[in-house]
Amino acid sequence: SQTIHQWPATLVQPVGSPLSLECTVEGTSNPNLYWYRQAAGRGLQLLFYSVGIGQISSEVPQNLSASRPQDRQFILSSKKLLLSDSGFYLCAWSSQVAGELFFGEGSRLTVL
Amino acid sequence: TQLLEQSPQFLSIQEGENLTVYCNSSSVFSSLQWYRQEPGEGPVLLVTVVTGGEVKKLKRLTFQFGDARKDSSLHITAAQPGDTGLYLCADPSTSGTYKYIFGTGTRLKVLA
Repeated sequence: SQTIHQWPATLVQPVGSPLSLECTVEGTSNPNLYWYRQAAGRGLQLLFYSVGIGQISSEVPQNLSASRPQDRQFILSSKKLLLSDSGFYLCAWSSQVAGELFFGEGSRLTVL
Repeated sequence: TQLLEQSPQFLSIQEGENLTVYCNSSSVFSSLQWYRQEPGEGPVLLVTVVTGGEVKKLKRLTFQFGDARKDSSLHITAAQPGDTGLYLCADPSTSGTYKYIFGTGTRLKVLA
C-alpha cells in the first residue's frame, strides 16, 4: 500500500534561520507531489507542485523553494525564515489528474 | 485566479441538528472534491462530484453539485460529535492543470 511521510513533525526556528522539510512517498511511482501551508483553522494555500523529477511549479512568490531530487522525495526549503512563514505545512501526493489527494501528517513550524 | 469561498466560516451546533455548508467558485468546476480535516492531521477525501446536478450520499452526509458546476453543498443530517472538523472543498484540476485549489474552509463543532 502507498504511504506518505513528512518530517519533522514540529519545529521552532528563529527568524533568519534556514528550513528544510522533507516528504517521501512509498508504494507508488511517478506521483504528483504538493506542498501546502495552512494558517490556523483555515484553508490550504498551494505553495509548490511537481509532476516529475526536477519539475517544480511555484504558486506563491516568497522566500521558500522546493526541490524534487528523486521520484518520491519532495523537499521544502528556505534560506532565511520570516515570522510570516509560521504555519502548518502539509505534503501531499496524487497518482492521477483530479484523483484523490493523499496527505502526510503535517509539520508545524513556529518562527520566533 | 479562481477563488473558492466557503460559508459559513464557523458553525457550532448541538448533536442531532442538521446543517448545510456551501462552496462557491468564481469559475466553473470540472469536478469538485470535499475533504474533512481533524486537528493536527491532513485532510481526508470524502467525495468527488463530477456532473452538474449530481447528488452523492455518504451515510448522513449528502453532497450536491450545482447544475452550472459553480457551487456545491454538503448537508449533514443529525450531526454527531464525530462530525467535528474542518470541511474543505477543492478543485482538483484548476484550469486543466495538476493544481488542487482548496476553499477557505468551514470549521464545524458538534456539541454533545
